[in-house]
Amino acid sequence: GDSVTQMEGPVTLSEEAFLTINCTYTATGYPSLFWYVQYPGEGLQLLLKATKADDKGSNKGFEATYRKETTSFHLEKGSVQVSDSAVYFCALLRNTGKLIFGQGTTLQVKP
Amino acid sequence: DGGITQSPKYLFRKEGQNVTLSCEQNLNHDAMYWYRQDPGQGLRLIYYSQIVNDFQKGDIAEGYSVSREKKESFPLTVTSAQKNPTAFYLCASSIWISQVGSYEQYFGPGTRLTVT
Repeated sequence: GDSVTQMEGPVTLSEEAFLTINCTYTATGYPSLFWYVQYPGEGLQLLLKATKADDKGSNKGFEATYRKETTSFHLEKGSVQVSDSAVYFCALLRNTGKLIFGQGTTLQVKP
Repeated sequence: DGGITQSPKYLFRKEGQNVTLSCEQNLNHDAMYWYRQDPGQGLRLIYYSQIVNDFQKGDIAEGYSVSREKKESFPLTVTSAQKNPTAFYLCASSIWISQVGSYEQYFGPGTRLTVT
C-alpha cells in the first residue's frame, strides 16, 4: 500500500545553517505531496505542496520539489532560524482525499 | 475568522468512561477527519466523513465512534473499548482545489486526552 518514509530525527542545526529533511514515498500513480509543520502543543499547519512531477512547492523560505524518478519530496531551507524548531511531516494524498503521513522529523535550531 | 475548533484542549478521564471530543469547522468543507497522534509517531486516521450523515472507518477505528449530523460538526467518542486512549487527537477538514486538481486538508489545534 501507499507509504511515506522520512529521515529520523531529531535534526539539530545551528541558526543560519542549511536544512534538508528527506522524504520518499511509495504509491500507485502520482499523488499530491505535502509538507506540514507542527509547533509544540499545536495542530498541523500546511507548509507547502506539489501536485505533479517536477512541481516545486515553496513557502516561508522552505522548498520541496516533486521528483517522480526518485519518488522523493525532500524539504529544504537555505538558512534556518530558531523559530523553525518544530516537527515536520511529509504526506501524500490518496485520490479519496485521505492523507498518508510519514512519522515526522523533529528539527531543533540552536542560536 | 474561518477555521477549525476543537474543545477542550486538555481532557482527563478515568478508565472505563466514554468521552466525546468536539470538532467544529466554519470553512464550509464537505470532508472531515479524525487522527490520533502518539509520541514520536505520525498521524493515524481513525474515521473520516465525506458528506453529512455518512462516515467511514480509517486505519484504527476500533474503540471509537463518530457522527456527522451537520456539515460543521464531527464529534469523536472514545469508548471504554479503546485499549490505549491516551493520545493527542487532531481533527481536520478538506476541500477540493480545482485550480490545482487536489484536495487541501487543514487541521484544528488538537485535544490532548489523558485516561488514568
